[in-house]
Amino acid sequence: EVQLVESGGSLVQPGGSLRLSCAASGFTFSSYSMNWVRQAPGKGLEWVSYISSSGTTIYYADSVKGRFTISRDNAKNSLHLQMNSLRAEDTAVFYCARDTGSTSVDYWGQGTLVTVSS
Amino acid sequence: DVVMTQSPLSLPVTLGQPASISCRSGQSLVHSDGNTYLNWFQQRPGQSPRRLIYKVSNRDSGVPDRFSGSGSGTDFTLKISKVEAEDVGVYYCMQGTYWPLITFGQGTRLEIK
Repeated sequence: EVQLVESGGSLVQPGGSLRLSCAASGFTFSSYSMNWVRQAPGKGLEWVSYISSSGTTIYYADSVKGRFTISRDNAKNSLHLQMNSLRAEDTAVFYCARDTGSTSVDYWGQGTLVTVSS
Repeated sequence: DVVMTQSPLSLPVTLGQPASISCRSGQSLVHSDGNTYLNWFQQRPGQSPRRLIYKVSNRDSGVPDRFSGSGSGTDFTLKISKVEAEDVGVYYCMQGTYWPLITFGQGTRLEIK
């Protein structure tokens, strides 16, 4: 069974940093590209970042470019999102989601809540 | 970015009755490879999204056959033939044609009348 478990979300002050992680199991992690997608409270879904299976190809949404860094450790079946210079508008539940051939996402984790507030 | 517009945003439905959600894209979703990468997701209250449909009309494993997707170009529809209580939640369309700039619709909240 495919499982994605996010962690690392918490309350952080504006301008602060946070590192999210996603532990993957139930599939060959190193064969799949991965994404981060976020959802602000009561709002819709926003794609944040993509990383290819090998980690060599990376993309970011304009809203986080220059502030967030996606990475992965295929030996540990884990995906990460380093978030710096956090703003109030970054407050959201962050989901990791498995990519399917760069045309869709199929499995999602349960999400981890990031709250940016003083 | 490709704008995805859903309607209605709120959909009250009587149990056992059909439901239909529209999704329109600002540009054609036909990919250069000939496929159309339009997906539908369901998000039940308090849960993470679950994919129901991919490439316009293909149901994911385990998705009841009362769910169906159709459409082409810029106009797409998700239909539920007979709404059940477990169908309550928010439904999102998502385009993957313009990867990596994937975009979602605003969501349609389905509730039971």
